[in-house]
Amino acid sequence: KQEVTQIPAALSVPEGENLVLNCSFTDSAIYNLQWFRQDPGKGLTSLLLIQSSQREQTSGRLNASLDKSSGRSTLYIAASQPGDSATYLCAVRNPVNYNTDKLIFGTGTRLQVFP
Amino acid sequence: NAGVTQTPKFQVLKTGQSMTLQCAQDMNHNSMYWYRQDPGMGLRLIYYSASEGTTDKGEVPNGYNVSRLNKREFSLRLESAAPSQTSVYFCASSPRSLNSPLHFGNGTRLTVT
Repeated sequence: KQEVTQIPAALSVPEGENLVLNCSFTDSAIYNLQWFRQDPGKGLTSLLLIQSSQREQTSGRLNASLDKSSGRSTLYIAASQPGDSATYLCAVRNPVNYNTDKLIFGTGTRLQVFP
Repeated sequence: NAGVTQTPKFQVLKTGQSMTLQCAQDMNHNSMYWYRQDPGMGLRLIYYSASEGTTDKGEVPNGYNVSRLNKREFSLRLESAAPSQTSVYFCASSPRSLNSPLHFGNGTRLTVT
């Protein structure tokens, strides 16, 4: 059974720091891995999706990497800003069979960036 | 651009009452999902619908029923609410492609007393 873990559960950093959020998964047979952002009281917003054949994806100050063999992904945030404060969740997509698919979520890292 | 719309935003039920959570998407997506989010548990899949006319159980389906009314709408019904169903419920949708991101609604916060 696929399990997704995110450590640390919470992180507090000063503005301007570069930071790395970690995600690990137990079954390397994944279709893709997605990183989401969740603001308090809101739904999830997709940030980056890395396909299983890819090593990384970039969007602005965000860079996500994937190492399937070791079951790890990292989300790198450059020059953090207070507006980056949110909970970040990773999720892996594991097809059960050809006709269905499931997304397994980690419990998230709550990030606070203070001025 | 509405995306995924969930109603209601908040609901309080007494144990044993029933209700239906509504979800609609305007992105012409084939797949739709219902998740619940609980502190320390992450998001767990309740039911999903890979296409109009089909539904399948997820990880935690007990106590829930779903209806894929048409391509746009996917509703979640609690027939007899229990305190254990107190949670935040999220609806999501995606194109059929496995390599497409999910789009989420803003959630329904449900309290069962």
